[in-house]
Amino acid sequence: DAGVIQSPRHEVTEMGQEVTLRCKPISGHDYLFWYRQTMMRGLELLIYFNNNVPIDDSGMPEDRFSAKMPNASFSTLKIQPSEPRDSAVYFCASSPRGGNEQFFGPGTRLTVL
Amino acid sequence: ILNVEQSPQSLHVQEGDSTNFTCSFPSSNFYALHWYRWETAKSPEALFVMTLNGDEKKKGRISATLNTKEGYSYLYIKGSQPEDSATYLCAFVGGSNYKLTFGKGTLLTVNP
Repeated sequence: DAGVIQSPRHEVTEMGQEVTLRCKPISGHDYLFWYRQTMMRGLELLIYFNNNVPIDDSGMPEDRFSAKMPNASFSTLKIQPSEPRDSAVYFCASSPRGGNEQFFGPGTRLTVL
Repeated sequence: ILNVEQSPQSLHVQEGDSTNFTCSFPSSNFYALHWYRWETAKSPEALFVMTLNGDEKKKGRISATLNTKEGYSYLYIKGSQPEDSATYLCAFVGGSNYKLTFGKGTLLTVNP
């Protein structure tokens, strides 16, 4: 298995633009998690899905952020409009069952100018 | 807001030294405690998932213990090697919600 796949690996955009981050979880994993890594706050959970259904989105910072999982093999995290304070590394992770170890993707480094 | 604390923040040791660091977490509503190893420019990789009070896990030279009643876990590395240099993260899972709350990590540097 190729592991969790994220794209793009790097994204540089200007304030106000829409940004879409993509994730393909490991096949057969029922749980998918989106995290944000910043120096100030460390690794924070934004949202997670179970069987494509959002379960906990309490970590989503504000309405500018949205996440979808249209099928078991694809998820997106969208920021619209983006702001410089959204600059961070965004990780996607998947897990076969809740509470099990999570497998992280390589991350997307987002820079908003 | 859950409080997951790791100490020390950073640690420098010599090759061959044994070392340990601490993760403290809420002692109520415990479900699981995860340990991850995170090398620079890579992604976090799971080391252990611990669920039972008194649990001890081992993988090679790395081991971990768990005390859910007092809310702490120790990670031990025996005979540190330069390739052990990484940030070690713990994450608390409370209740049946599978949400991980991560500590800020301990950055370990092993000097050859």
